[in-house]
Amino acid sequence: DAGVIQSPRHEVTEMGQEVTLRCKPISGHDYLFWYRQTMMRGLELLIYFNNNVPIDDSGMPEDRFSAKMPNASFSTLKIQPSEPRDSAVYFCASSRPGGPDTQYFGPGTRLTVL
Amino acid sequence: AQSVAQPEDQVNVAEGNPLTVKCTYSVSGNPYLFWYVQYPNRGLQFLLKYITGDNLVKGSYGFEAEFNKSQTSFHLKKPSALVSDSALYFCAVRDRTYNFNKFYFGSGTKLNVKP
Repeated sequence: DAGVIQSPRHEVTEMGQEVTLRCKPISGHDYLFWYRQTMMRGLELLIYFNNNVPIDDSGMPEDRFSAKMPNASFSTLKIQPSEPRDSAVYFCASSRPGGPDTQYFGPGTRLTVL
Repeated sequence: AQSVAQPEDQVNVAEGNPLTVKCTYSVSGNPYLFWYVQYPNRGLQFLLKYITGDNLVKGSYGFEAEFNKSQTSFHLKKPSALVSDSALYFCAVRDRTYNFNKFYFGSGTKLNVKP
């Protein structure tokens, strides 16, 4: 089991640029979650999917953020245009069918927007 | 609304001493409660969970947590701390009402275990 895979691990970009974060959940898991972690706000749920369908996106901060899950093994979180306040660590997590009792987190992507 | 509170930003303990990391919750109905640990530059790792049954839950790395319904608490404990336990600990509750699969995480408590 390779665990949840996220790429890139680090991303440095300039304000106004488009940023795409990628996630590969654990095979067989049908829930996928995107979180953002900052010192000020802690760990925030941005959006989650079940069977590739977005269920709750109420945590997405604004229209500049979008997430997709085109198939069971891949999801993206896109920020366009990026702003310095988007700098954070973004985590992807997945969990098994039957309810997300235990979430398995990826290593995170550290995003810095200059 | 569902929420958890971790009243301590930081807990300091000497190696070999017992440790407690506090968590209180506010939920509608019976809670699903979790503890996760985060080591530097890593994602969160599951430690233990309470769903139902015995109020004392045992988890990974010798940790345990006690569910106390009257005090709405779910404190994390370990009888003898190790330096390697130093990390950031998060308490979480799963929404079992309107938004059945949403998790709410506490603000985290940094545990420092000194040799």
